[in-house]
Amino acid sequence: DAGVIQSPRHEVTEMGQEVTLRCKPISGHNSLFWYRQTMMRGLELLIYFNNNVPIDDSGMPEDRFSAKMPNASFSTLKIQPSEPRDSAVYFCASSYGGRSYNEQFFGPGTRLTVL
Amino acid sequence: AQKVTQAQTEISVVEKEDVTLDCVYETRDTTYYLFWYKQPPSGELVFLIRRNSFDEQNEISGRYSWNFQKSTSSFNFTITASQVVDSAVYFCALSETGGSYIPTFGRGTSLIVHP
Repeated sequence: DAGVIQSPRHEVTEMGQEVTLRCKPISGHNSLFWYRQTMMRGLELLIYFNNNVPIDDSGMPEDRFSAKMPNASFSTLKIQPSEPRDSAVYFCASSYGGRSYNEQFFGPGTRLTVL
Repeated sequence: AQKVTQAQTEISVVEKEDVTLDCVYETRDTTYYLFWYKQPPSGELVFLIRRNSFDEQNEISGRYSWNFQKSTSSFNFTITASQVVDSAVYFCALSETGGSYIPTFGRGTSLIVHP
């Protein structure tokens, strides 16, 4: 079975541009998480969806960030406008059941560089 | 609120040495789950183990073993006879059952195994 798929794997953009990151969770998983990883702040949860509904978006840094999950097999994380401090690795993870005991399956990440 | 502390930022060992990665957690829940994930240089986090709060039995899987002690709120991870392929960042995570099921990750411990 395919794991969590993220695209693009690398993105280099200029400050002020719009960036869209994409994620396809594992089929059958009904929980989806977006994380950001930086050296300074470690692994931060940005937003959590359960059954396509955003449950907790308290980690979304500011209004420039938005996330959608139009169906069970696709999610996007958009940054508009992007800033250099958004440079990080963005991970998407999915799990089955939306319960505390479910382990997460992570995608390979998108390395974003904002110049 | 839940919290996970991995006090060791980086550990460097020589191949075949045993190494223990520490994880200390805080929670008010009586039922919770603890996890360890491995992030190799390729970047993707990989699930290693899950433990629930009612099961304090130590677990061994090959060269990996985990020591869960509720009395000290610790869930330590030991690698016996380390190998170069064990070089990675290891994350400990906690998920409570009384909240939103969102896990909290520690900052991670970078393990470098030298040949």
